[in-house]
Amino acid sequence: GQSLEQPSEVTAVEGAIVQINCTYQTSGFYGLSWYQQHDGGAPTFLSYNALDGLEETGRFSSFLSRSDSYGYLLLQELQMKDSASYFCAVRNQGGKLIFGQGTELSVKP
Amino acid sequence: DGGITQSPKYLFRKEGQNVTLSCEQNLNHDAMYWYRQDPGQGLRLIYYSQIVNDFQKGDIAEGYSVSREKKESFPLTVTSAQKNPTAFYLCASSTDRGPYEQYFGPGTRLTVT
Repeated sequence: GQSLEQPSEVTAVEGAIVQINCTYQTSGFYGLSWYQQHDGGAPTFLSYNALDGLEETGRFSSFLSRSDSYGYLLLQELQMKDSASYFCAVRNQGGKLIFGQGTELSVKP
Repeated sequence: DGGITQSPKYLFRKEGQNVTLSCEQNLNHDAMYWYRQDPGQGLRLIYYSQIVNDFQKGDIAEGYSVSREKKESFPLTVTSAQKNPTAFYLCASSTDRGPYEQYFGPGTRLTVT
């Protein structure tokens, strides 16, 4: 089967750093993506890792270890507007994405 | 402005009726996708199309049908055979080049009673 595991909920305070982990077990792997979705809205792309290592984009960073089938999204200097659901997704053959169940991040003042 | 449009935003239907959800993109993307999202859940792939006049089933295609007659358009029909059609439906498109970002439409929330 194919599965992605990520925590269902994470809570942090404004200004803090939070890490959202994702482990995957899929048949075929081309890369790991992260998407953000605010309540009732459309998912928006955050990052994509095809190779091992850290990718940094502003306050957000994403890491991948292909040998461990593991990745994480790191959010720094948290802001209230970062409260949202975050999904990891494995890019599979044919460009398909297999999504995890999502992590709901609550940022408290 | 380039983007993806889905209409309508909210849709109500009676059980036993087929309903078609619209998805249009002007991003010149070859690939298009339909996902279903249930409350508190991730996105599940219904159908996808990598090129005009061709499409493949995703993980939960039963009770759904699609067509791809134009590059810009990828409508989804929810048939009466779909046992539990009430959900949030999202359409997306992407290029075939890295980082393979999928661009999503605003979604259609379908309620069937």
